[in-house]
Amino acid sequence: DQQVKQNSPSLSVQEGRISILNCDYTNSMFDYFLWYKKYPAEGPTFLISISSIKDKNEDGRFTVFLNKSAKHLSLHIVPSQPGDSAVYFCAASARDYKLSFGAGTTVTVRA
Amino acid sequence: NAGVTQTPKFQVLKTGQSMTLQCAQDMNHNSMYWYRQDPGMGLRLIYYSASEGTTDKGEVPNGYNVSRLNKREFSLRLESAAPSQTSVYFCASTLTNQPQHFGDGTRLSIL
Repeated sequence: DQQVKQNSPSLSVQEGRISILNCDYTNSMFDYFLWYKKYPAEGPTFLISISSIKDKNEDGRFTVFLNKSAKHLSLHIVPSQPGDSAVYFCAASARDYKLSFGAGTTVTVRA
Repeated sequence: NAGVTQTPKFQVLKTGQSMTLQCAQDMNHNSMYWYRQDPGMGLRLIYYSASEGTTDKGEVPNGYNVSRLNKREFSLRLESAAPSQTSVYFCASTLTNQPQHFGDGTRLSIL
């Protein structure tokens, strides 16, 4: 049973606009959440993370929001750029540091 | 600064053949992981090694064995390959409380 779910397989957004990616989880023991970005034929690269003691974390154009009561997190990319076109994976872990991944969302930024 | 290096990058096997996937990291990380990625399913943990000398099963360990050869190297072995093991395999490493760093993957096809 998948503990981390990304219900939108794809997202298309115009350059300069906001991209919002969503992720839901079921395991209440998860306390550390990450987003990874993946280009074709490459490994995932770490983008941004948030611990359960926070509800927001920003890094440049990327902001992650965590709603623990709803078991939901989102990634906002503002403004979206062509180089942001990639697959984005949401991941979560408990204190054992083993990551559970969502299935990914493919983002396409249109010029 | 190579990070996580996986060899080979591509491999085609026949059913029943054996194969060892190699992974090495040069970041002095203590923990290492093996994942497989299948279409629509994200990354799933096969085995991990929290520290040199220890290994543990992940979510999908059946049909695989691992060896933590030293702090740098963590290998994944398929003793008798099956078509269901056709996948992209990723190795990752990390220090405690840090994001995992991934290699670029091994694309394995089993006929």
